[in-house]
Amino acid sequence: NAGVTQTPKFQVLKTGQSMTLQCAQDMNHEYMSWYRQDPGMGLRLIHYSVGAGITDQGEVPNGYNVSRSTTEDFPLRLLSAAPSQTSVYFCASSYSMGAHTQYFGPGTRLTVL
Amino acid sequence: GDSVTQMEGPVTLSEEAFLTINCTYTATGYPSLFWYVQYPGEGLQLLLKATKADDKGSNKGFEATYRKETTSFHLEKGSVQVSDSAVYFCALSAISYGQNFVFGPGTRLSVLP
Repeated sequence: NAGVTQTPKFQVLKTGQSMTLQCAQDMNHEYMSWYRQDPGMGLRLIHYSVGAGITDQGEVPNGYNVSRSTTEDFPLRLLSAAPSQTSVYFCASSYSMGAHTQYFGPGTRLTVL
Repeated sequence: GDSVTQMEGPVTLSEEAFLTINCTYTATGYPSLFWYVQYPGEGLQLLLKATKADDKGSNKGFEATYRKETTSFHLEKGSVQVSDSAVYFCALSAISYGQNFVFGPGTRLSVLP
């Protein structure tokens, strides 16, 4: 049981490049989400999904796309990277929304030059 | 909108000292409240939670009580250890936010031997 896995662990991009951050969970959780963590700001929700084929925007969705074709996978795509997207990105999953425990992946540290 | 405020860190304590990290919240309705902990280089993991007023969450010697009258969920531990050094996040699950999580900015705790 691997829990929530994320790849890559580190990534450096140039402005304007695109990339996909991968997230997978093996707990059969319906709810998955992406956060970014910036110093002094805690975690902010980018996008979330309540099940395969269903996604919605969070607090800071601009510049990011998501899709959920399977229960297990929830990739995050950066369309055209900008220095403001330099951050640590966390994927999380839980049984459903609300008071259920969220399980976090180890994070991806992204630097955009 | 819904929000979480935490005491600013960093907090530095000697081993066996008493710990309090203050957390207050603003929310519509009756949110569920959480404390998550992030150890160096890792993702967040649930420390404890409370889902209704006057509930006390506890785990690993940490405690927090859901106080509706003061909109607070302060984290306490009677005797900290070096291994408790981490960043602690207070969070709520907000119905008005689609039951997604709202995180505070985090409080870094360093415990010295």
